[in-house]
Amino acid sequence: DQQVKQNSPSLSVQEGRISILNCDYTNSMFDYFLWYKKYPAEGPTFLISISSIKDKNEDGRFTVFLNKSAKHLSLHIVPSQPGDSAVYFCAASPGMDSSYKLIFGSGTRLLVRP
Amino acid sequence: GAGVSQTPSNKVTEKGKYVELRCDPISGHTALYWYRQSLGQGPEFLIYFQGTGAADDSGLPNDRFFAVRPEGSVSTLKIQRTERGDSAVYLCASSLRGASSYNEQFFGPGTRLTVL
Repeated sequence: DQQVKQNSPSLSVQEGRISILNCDYTNSMFDYFLWYKKYPAEGPTFLISISSIKDKNEDGRFTVFLNKSAKHLSLHIVPSQPGDSAVYFCAASPGMDSSYKLIFGSGTRLLVRP
Repeated sequence: GAGVSQTPSNKVTEKGKYVELRCDPISGHTALYWYRQSLGQGPEFLIYFQGTGAADDSGLPNDRFFAVRPEGSVSTLKIQRTERGDSAVYLCASSLRGASSYNEQFFGPGTRLTVL
């Protein structure tokens, strides 16, 4: 059973518009959430994170929202740029003594059309 | 500075053979992780090293998989009697510290293993 789910395998948006990538999780003990971005033939690179004590974290064009009651988080990219085209992975940290053991979703492939 | 490097980038082997995958972490990073990414899935945790010791190997799928980090830097993931189901991208990551608090994990480009 997947503890972290990204139900949209792909998303296509126009350059300049907002991209919204969604992620759901099942384990209420997760205390830290991360988004990673992956280009072909490269490893995932850290993008942005949020602690479970917050509901929003912003870094430039990227904002992550956390809704703990719904066990849902989303990544907003605005404005979207063609260079944002990549696979985005949501990940959760179990916290406590296993905070390193990231649990990843299956990814969403974002295509930003010029 | 140099990131995490992994060799080889691609490995094709036959069912039943033995393979070794190498990871060079970022210099000074004490924590090292191996993940496996199957087609269409996200990375799955395999093992975590803090220094030379495997602090958590709970993600290794079975006893055909083994990993070492003898000097606390380079790590080798070893797979015996490979099976077709072992085909995946094996990712290595390192972080400055390990389990005491969340530390950003920096990933290498991965080794794509294909078992024929």
